[in-house]
Amino acid sequence: KAGVTQTPRYLIKTRGQQVTLSCSPISGHRSVSWYQQTPGQGLQFLFEYFSETQRNKGNFPGRFSGRQFSNSRSEMNVSTLELGDSALYLCASSGTNTEAFFGQGTRLTVV
Amino acid sequence: KQEVTQIPAALSVPEGENLVLNCSFTDSAIYNLQWFRQDPGKGLTSLLLIQSSQREQTSGRLNASLDKSSGRSTLYIAASQPGDSATYLCASPRCTDKLIFGTGTRLQVFP
Repeated sequence: KAGVTQTPRYLIKTRGQQVTLSCSPISGHRSVSWYQQTPGQGLQFLFEYFSETQRNKGNFPGRFSGRQFSNSRSEMNVSTLELGDSALYLCASSGTNTEAFFGQGTRLTVV
Repeated sequence: KQEVTQIPAALSVPEGENLVLNCSFTDSAIYNLQWFRQDPGKGLTSLLLIQSSQREQTSGRLNASLDKSSGRSTLYIAASQPGDSATYLCASPRCTDKLIFGTGTRLQVFP
């Protein structure tokens, strides 16, 4: 059974650009959550999707958005990138027992 | 608001020692509690999930207990090995699948 797959693994972007990250959950999982991890702030919740609906949202500016497709794959988008958006972005999927499984993450560097 | 605290923040021990990592949470109305390990620059690996109706879970050399009344969970690692070196995180969902993470315990096991 394949795990959670995040693409790309690494990204370098320039300030002001936008970026789209992708997450494919474990087959059968309908819940996908996104987290941002930085050395200073630790792991912070971005948003959660379940059956194509955003079920929960963290305290991030509107530049951060996401969506989920009918096959449960999810994307998150960050517009007008800032240096402070440099982080490891992690995606997690969970099934009916709510155990969360994480992908390897996307390392975003904004220069 | 759920807050999760982990003690100690860092731990350095010789190989073979039995270890105890602590996780405290402020809201005892938790749904479940999950322990993860994270290697540098990588995603999170799920170690153990304790449902709210359970008191402990075991996997190999790992044992995690949950005491909701005192707001504490403990991860016990038996006969530690250098390969156990990583950051250990506990997390609990506040509602739906939004995980609230502790700050982590950085463990180093030296030969």
